[in-house]
Parts: sequence; structure tokens; C-alpha cells
Amino acid sequence: AQKVTQAQTEISVVEKEDVTLDCVYETRDTTYYLFWYKQPPSGELVFLIRRNSFDEQNEISGRYSWNFQKSTSSFNFTITASQVVDSAVYFCALSGSGQNFVFGPGTRLSVLP
Amino acid sequence: NAGVTQTPKFRVLKTGQSMTLLCAQDMNHEYMYWYRQDPGMGLRLIHYSVGEGTTAKGEVPDGYNVSRLKKQNFLLGLESAAPSQTSVYFCASSPTGTFSPAFLSFGAGSRLTVL
Repeated sequence: AQKVTQAQTEISVVEKEDVTLDCVYETRDTTYYLFWYKQPPSGELVFLIRRNSFDEQNEISGRYSWNFQKSTSSFNFTITASQVVDSAVYFCALSGSGQNFVFGPGTRLSVLP
Repeated sequence: NAGVTQTPKFRVLKTGQSMTLLCAQDMNHEYMYWYRQDPGMGLRLIHYSVGEGTTAKGEVPDGYNVSRLKKQNFLLGLESAAPSQTSVYFCASSPTGTFSPAFLSFGAGSRLTVL
């Protein structure tokens, strides 16, 4: 069975602080994909990143960076110099050999001015 | 290019009523999915389809039925709504199966309240 855990239910930071959102996954598949989605207050789900299980290189996109570590089954997401517009619920997701994406419960990030 | 469109966006039902949520995608995607989102539980898969004329059960299929008569449309039906089905429903599509470089494209969501 596949499972995604996001232990942080809610995080509050002050603008310009760095923040890391944790994601731990479980799968028996040797090939799988990991994703992060953002859900802003407007409610839509926005794709942020996709990473396959064979690529453990960290990725940086502007203020966003992702750290994938197979040894700890983690795919953590860091926002550097957070902004109010980063306030959202962030979901980590996993897809493996089945026709399914498994989502974590989400982390609600509030960035205060 | 509209992407994934869900209708209606909001609906209030009484217990026992029936309704259908419509999902339409214009990206020629093969795979389509219905998820429900509840507080603290993330998104849970209700049903999915790997192509026109096919459907399969997801994690929480009870109380729902689906149909995929046309490739671009995926309908979610509630035959006898229950308060436990109060949720936000998201439709998604992808060009191939999830075991691929593809990712899910989501609709804007449909908020359903069952009284």
C-alpha cells in the first residue's frame, strides 16, 4: 500500500522567513513519482513539481526548492524568503504502479505580513 | 483552452436526493479521476477511468457511480445523497497513466452540501 504523511498540519511564519514543509512517503514500488501541489485560498490545485524515484538531485525554482532523499523516504519542500502570496495548503502526492495518485493530508501555511 | 471544467461549482442537496457532477476536459487526456477533499484528509480517490467506456473504483467508491461514455467527459453520480457526502469534489485528468511523467490537471472543484 502507498501512503503519504505530512506531519505538519499548520505552519505560521512571518514574511521573509524560510519554511520547510515535510513529506514522508511509503511505497513498495521501485519506480514512482512524487509531486507537490499548492491550493491557494481560491481553492484550485496548482501543480508545482514532479520528481521520479531515480532522480535524487535537489531542485530549485526561484524561491522554491525540493529535497528528495530515498534513504529516508522524504520529499521536503522549502520556501525561501516567504511571502504572503505563499499562504496556501500544500499537498505532497505519490504515484506508483497503479492508476492512482495518493495524496497526503496537506499542510496549511500561513505567511503573516 | 479551458482545460478541466466541472459543473456545477456549488450545489445543496437534501438527504436522499440524487445529482450528477459533470467533468469535461478538452486536452484529449486518456485518464480521468474523481477525488473528494475533506478537512485534514487530503484528496481521496473515488473512481477513475483509464479510457472511454472504462471505469474503476478508487479508495472511497461507496455511494457513488461514474460513467465515461465519451473520452472528454467523466460523470460522477450520487443516487441517494447522504450528509457524509458533503465535500469538495475535484475532477482531474492526465494524458497517460499515473505511472508516467504526466501529472494531474485539476478542475476548479465542486462544493456539495447535503442537508
